[in-house]
Order: sequence, then C-alpha cells, then structure tokens
Amino acid sequence: GNSVTQMEGPVTLSEEAFLTINCTYTATGYPSLFWYVQYPGEGLQLLLKATKADDKGSNKGFEATYRKETTSFHLEKGSVQVSDSAVYFCALEGGGNKLTFGTGTQLKVEL
Amino acid sequence: GAVVSQHPSRVICKSGTSVKIECRSLDFQATTMFWYRQFPKQSLMLMATSNEGSKATYEQGVEKDKFLINHASLTLSTLTVTSAHPEDSSFYICSAKDPGPSYEQYFGPGTRLTVT
Repeated sequence: GNSVTQMEGPVTLSEEAFLTINCTYTATGYPSLFWYVQYPGEGLQLLLKATKADDKGSNKGFEATYRKETTSFHLEKGSVQVSDSAVYFCALEGGGNKLTFGTGTQLKVEL
Repeated sequence: GAVVSQHPSRVICKSGTSVKIECRSLDFQATTMFWYRQFPKQSLMLMATSNEGSKATYEQGVEKDKFLINHASLTLSTLTVTSAHPEDSSFYICSAKDPGPSYEQYFGPGTRLTVT
C-alpha cells in the first residue's frame, strides 16, 4: 500500500536559517504529492503540491520538487521566520482522492 | 480559500455514551468529505469517505457500526461515535473536497474527544 515517511521532529532553527524537511514515499503509479501545514489551533492548510515527476511546487518561499527517481518530495525554505513555526505534513494522493500522510514534523523557529 | 468548520472543537463524554461531531463546508458544496483520526504525535489516519446521499466507505479496520457517518446534505457530514470508550479518545479531523477543477481538500480545525 501507499506510505509516506518524513523526518521526525521537532526541528528548531534560528530565524533566517535554511530549512529542509525530508519526505519519501512508496506508492503504486504516479501519485500527486502535497505538503500541508498546521498552525497552532488551526486546521491543515495546503502549502504546496506537485502532480507529476520533476514538478516543483512553491508557495510562501517554500519549495518542493517531485523526484520520481528517489521517490522524494523534500520541503525547503531559504530563510525561515518565526511565523513559520508549525507542524508540516507530507502527503500523497492515491485512488479515490484518498490522502496518505506522514507523521508530521514540528518546526520551531526562534529569534 | 474555502472554509470547513467542525463542531464542537472539544468534547468530554462518559464511557458508554454517544457523541456527534459535525463537519460543515461553509462556502462551497462538497459531495465528498473525509474523516480522519489523529493520535498524539502521529499521522492522520483516514477513517472513511463520506459521499452525499450514499453510504460512507470505511477504511479497513474501522468499525462502521461504531463510527456512524451521515452526509445528508452537500454542506454537512456528521460522525457519531457510539458507545464511546476511553480508547476512542482522539483528535478527529474532517476534510471536504472542492468539486471544482482543483479537487483540493479543505480541512476542518479538528475535534478533541476525551472519553472518561
């Protein structure tokens, strides 16, 4: 079946540091890939997505590239801010629009 | 973006009672909604797919008689946890699928259920 593995947190960074959160997946076919963000007390929000190999999703300074050869979709941001503190979930969409999530990575950005 | 609400946000109930959780799409019609369960420090696990006007489709291992899902309108799906037990304590999250070209799922803020 489908599965998503992402790096465990928490990740603590200083403001303006570079962020990478690793995500790899196992799936049949060619699923769409997503990163969701969950701010404290709020629901999950779509951060970015990629629907086919070599696509790059980007939003709010975050980027992730769909790498079929390494089955990865790592999230990156060049300079994080305190407001980026949240939990980040990698996910893939299989048949029937069903989402399979990773375990989430908590990011804490300090001044 | 589209908004999905859940009610209540928190509920505490006694063992053996039933609890209903509502999920509403506020500014769009959702023919399909999904219910997830999230354990502490773990991923969201899909419980069931709720389709308006038809029976829900449950994932393997989810008891359909315990977790009753009703999707009676295009903006409302309900999850009823029947005869709740302490092990049912969890964070329950719904999402609604945008019927438009994006097919994006919009998530509710979740409901924290505690069974005593």
